Amino acid sequence: DQQVKQNSPSLSVQEGRISILNCDYTNSMFDYFLWYKKYPAEGPTFLISISSIKDKNEDGRFTVFLNKSAKHLSLHIVPSQPGDSAVYFCAAHGGGADGLTFGKGTHLIIQP
Amino acid sequence: DAMVIQNPRYQVTQFGKPVTLSCSQTLNHNVMYWYQQKSSQAPKLLFHYYDKDFNNEADTPDNFQSRRPNTSFCFLDIRSPGLGDAAMYLCATSAPASGANVLTFGAGSRLTVL
Repeated sequence: DQQVKQNSPSLSVQEGRISILNCDYTNSMFDYFLWYKKYPAEGPTFLISISSIKDKNEDGRFTVFLNKSAKHLSLHIVPSQPGDSAVYFCAAHGGGADGLTFGKGTHLIIQP
Repeated sequence: DAMVIQNPRYQVTQFGKPVTLSCSQTLNHNVMYWYQQKSSQAPKLLFHYYDKDFNNEADTPDNFQSRRPNTSFCFLDIRSPGLGDAAMYLCATSAPASGANVLTFGAGSRLTVL
């Protein structure tokens, strides 16, 4: 049973526009949520995180929004750039040294 | 640059022939993790070491074992690989503190089972 769900396998966005990637979770014990980006033949790299006590965290072009009551989070990238084309993974954990529980990923394609 | 290195990047083995994948880190992180990722699936945590303490996930098959001889190295042993074990194996490290547990990943080892 998937505890972290990314229901869009792929997303195509025009360069310069906003990319919105969505993630849903089912486990109420998750306290932290992270987004990772993965290029082909490389490992996932950390992008941004948010704690369950917050509803927004921003880092440059990347903003993560958390709606705890809906168990939903989203990653906004604005403006989208060609280098943003990658697979984006949503992940969550309950705290401490817990390993991360990942979603299946969304392949973001930025079109020129 | 401090990093997580996995070897080999590509491993081909025969059905039932044991295989070992290695992971080394220069980050001096005290936690090391092994994930299995099959095509178009989410990375799945197999187990992790917190210093020398081994933590196995409940649904990790006995066919998968791990060793951590020192802080820098961690090995994944697959005793009798089956066709279903073909996957990308990702090693990650972290130094948990307060806040999100940010894992640093290696580039992965892709296992093919013939």
